[in-house]
Amino acid sequence: QVQLVESGGGVVQPGRSLRLSCAASGFNFSSYAMHWVRQAPGKGLEWVAVIASDGNYNADSVNGRFTISRDNSKNTLYLHMNSPRVEDTAVYYCARDWNSDFDYWGQGTLVTVSS
Amino acid sequence: EIVLTQSPATLSLSPGERATLSCRASQSISSYLAWYQQKPGQSPRLLIYDASNRATGIPARFSGSGSGTDFTLTISSLEPEDFAVYYCQQRSNWPPWTFGQGTKVEIK
Repeated sequence: QVQLVESGGGVVQPGRSLRLSCAASGFNFSSYAMHWVRQAPGKGLEWVAVIASDGNYNADSVNGRFTISRDNSKNTLYLHMNSPRVEDTAVYYCARDWNSDFDYWGQGTLVTVSS
Repeated sequence: EIVLTQSPATLSLSPGERATLSCRASQSISSYLAWYQQKPGQSPRLLIYDASNRATGIPARFSGSGSGTDFTLTISSLEPEDFAVYYCQQRSNWPPWTFGQGTKVEIK
């Protein structure tokens, strides 16, 4: 069955870096676009970034600071968070793209940006 | 950017009652709308795609309708496990993908 397992979250100081990972299994990982979606504490869902065959895209709120990448040989998706801000505090989910919707989600990893 | 507005913010109902949730788009998105359910401490689950198609394994009591700018998610008879937060999401014009702010269905 499809499984997505995020890791790498934790407490990070503003301006430092953090890399999130999402290990995929149960499907042909390289054939699918993949997304990161976040949810601030007590708030709604916010799309962050996508990596697809025709390119990568970021939300304006993270453009220039976050980079999405993948290693198909390891079936792993990444989110490189540079210069995080307090407002980036959230649970970060990886999600599989299915016809430009999100059909499978990981359990999420919490990132807290605090000095 | 397409803005999705959900109403009401909270819906207080009893098990067995019918729930009607609304999602309005700031411009036409054809039928490119999905609905997700999120329970406390869990990740979202895809319920409906393309406005009216149930995702795999979703019970028939969930149905979606609408096109253009106005969409509805209906739960015909609420089960105890249906009390959760529901989000709509558009894929008509991306990036960015956008979500509504959510509707919480709570037990009355």
